Amino acid sequence: AQTVTQSQPEMSVQEAETVTLSCTYDTSENNYYLFWYKQPPSRQMILVIRQEAYKQQNATENRFSVNFQKAAKSFSLKISDSQLGDTAMYFCAFMKHNTNDMRFGAGTRLTVKP
Amino acid sequence: GAGVSQSPSNKVTEKGKDVELRCDPISGHTALYWYRQSLGQGLEFLIYFQGNSAPDKSGLPSDRFSAERTGGSVSTLTIQRTQQEDSAVYLCASSFSSHSEEQYFGPGTRLTVT
Repeated sequence: AQTVTQSQPEMSVQEAETVTLSCTYDTSENNYYLFWYKQPPSRQMILVIRQEAYKQQNATENRFSVNFQKAAKSFSLKISDSQLGDTAMYFCAFMKHNTNDMRFGAGTRLTVKP
Repeated sequence: GAGVSQSPSNKVTEKGKDVELRCDPISGHTALYWYRQSLGQGLEFLIYFQGNSAPDKSGLPSDRFSAERTGGSVSTLTIQRTQQEDSAVYLCASSFSSHSEEQYFGPGTRLTVT
């Protein structure tokens, strides 16, 4: 079974600074997908970034980037130039290739301070 | 509609009553998922629908939980004889197809059982 671990229940960062959220996962699969979702107080889950395991290049979306270490089964999210609107719960998720089974971590609550 | 919608936004019910939660997926999305998010927790998979295929009910916690998807579109999650431990946010998501696709989430229904 696949498990996703987010070891940081809560984190905070000053506005305009950089923060990194950790995620590790356990799988015996070689083909899979990894996701970071953001859930602000509105409860609306929003996809932040997605990484295909077969791609060596780390995914980047504007201020958001990942450090994907396949051998270490690590998938951290870096948020640069943090903004107040980045305050939210962040969930790491794993999906095995060609399945519908998405497994989520317990989440990290990020607070961006002015 | 532009996104996944869910109703009601909030529901308070007495222990032992039945409740129905509704999800309208994005038009054209063939896959629909229900998740449960307990306070401060990650997402727990409940049930998955793909087109006209039999649903994957492997995540339903008990036989008090059931779900239907009519006409391949709207879905209803029913909880019978609600218990206090059923209190949670119930999230619905849809995706264009079933495999390895980004899931788009609704805003959720917060259920409180008193």
